Amino acid sequence: AQKITQTQPGMFVQEKEAVTLDCTYDTSDQSYGLFWYKQPSSGEMIFLIYQGSYDEQNATEGRYSLNFQKARKSANLVISASQLGDSAMYFCAMREGRGYQKVTFGIGTKLQVIP
Amino acid sequence: NAGVTQTPKFQVLKTGQSMTLQCAQDMNHNSMYWYRQDPGMGLRLIYYSASEGTTDKGEVPNGYNVSRLNKREFSLRLESAAPSQTSVYFCASSKGALSYEQYFGPGTRLTVT
Repeated sequence: AQKITQTQPGMFVQEKEAVTLDCTYDTSDQSYGLFWYKQPSSGEMIFLIYQGSYDEQNATEGRYSLNFQKARKSANLVISASQLGDSAMYFCAMREGRGYQKVTFGIGTKLQVIP
Repeated sequence: NAGVTQTPKFQVLKTGQSMTLQCAQDMNHNSMYWYRQDPGMGLRLIYYSASEGTTDKGEVPNGYNVSRLNKREFSLRLESAAPSQTSVYFCASSKGALSYEQYFGPGTRLTVT
């Protein structure tokens, strides 16, 4: 089974609208961490947001929020008020395992923001 | 603070040649990682080093070796390059514990002909 599944290869969103990028994960660990990264066309990887498995509240960072549904093993990224600069690849990732060093990334979702 | 630096930025090798990708971080992070990124595959972990003096295999270690030279530096070596190793290689570092994100270098685009 895939550890991290991102089922949307590409998404379009109108500028200023909100968009949800889906991520489901698979782990048997009780303690794990979930991350979202952004990769613009320039290629660098930029950390956006983190959610711990024991965190009761959904994480938020500015216009980014993580919709964490533990029972469904989903960790969707919500971007509010989309901007043209949000056009990029978005990767969901999970830390698990001994020392939490085992890091698995999804295959990514390409988001395009339309003016 | 330079963050995570990688050299070289681009490299072309012939099949069978060897090379070492260099990575250094100046954030005093304990953990360092090497990933490869291929189209449609996302990032896959090659090797990681949880702390100075330790290294462990990730998801795709075959054909690679690593050295954690000191706390700052973590190198990736291809002993006999193969076309299947054509990829973009990213080095990353983190403080090491569960909640800490990884900081990535700019990547090395490697082509093996």
